[in-house]
Amino acid sequence: ETGVTQSPTHLIKTRGQQVTLRCSSQSGHNTVSWYQQALGQGPQFIFQYYREEENGRGNFPPRFSGLQFPNYSSELNVNALELDDSALYLCASSLYRVSGANVLTFGAGSRLTVL
Amino acid sequence: TQLLEQSPQFLSIQEGENLTVYCNSSSVFSSLQWYRQEPGEGPVLLVTVVTGGEVKKLKRLTFQFGDARKDSSLHITAAQPGDTGLYLCAGVPNTGNQFYFGTGTSLTVIP
Repeated sequence: ETGVTQSPTHLIKTRGQQVTLRCSSQSGHNTVSWYQQALGQGPQFIFQYYREEENGRGNFPPRFSGLQFPNYSSELNVNALELDDSALYLCASSLYRVSGANVLTFGAGSRLTVL
Repeated sequence: TQLLEQSPQFLSIQEGENLTVYCNSSSVFSSLQWYRQEPGEGPVLLVTVVTGGEVKKLKRLTFQFGDARKDSSLHITAAQPGDTGLYLCAGVPNTGNQFYFGTGTSLTVIP
């Protein structure tokens, strides 16, 4: 059983640029969620994808967008990067459940630095 | 916006001491989870609690879900250096299926 893998692990961008982060979900999982985590803080929910559609979104502007592919992998795209976008971006996969507690399996994250 | 507030934010204790981390909210959650995150890694699930008043024990860790399902606590007995990490609570509100994470508690256990 493969876990969640994210790429790249680290990257540096400048203000105004665009970035794409990638995530391969755990085998058997069909839902992907993305989180932004500032150093020493709890993760903030960005959005979730299920059946290749956005299935919930946190308080993030439209320049944060995503995709989910038929193999359940996912991308997070951020346009017009700002300094405050510097953070660890975490991807978590799960098996969608209508009710009850899901179990999130996280990747190790992509550390984005915006200069 | 983080619905869950954790306290304390930072905790540094000696090996062998006991500690409690609190996770509080004004919202009701259908379930609540605790995760531990080590540097350079993603959070790893420790436990899920779903019933108000529920208590779960995992070796030296005891988790409790408040009767009103608005709060939770994590108690560690005889802390060890291997317990060092960022502890996160995460809840799913009664409506919706997205997880809201707490503000985090950074624990350091000194040998």
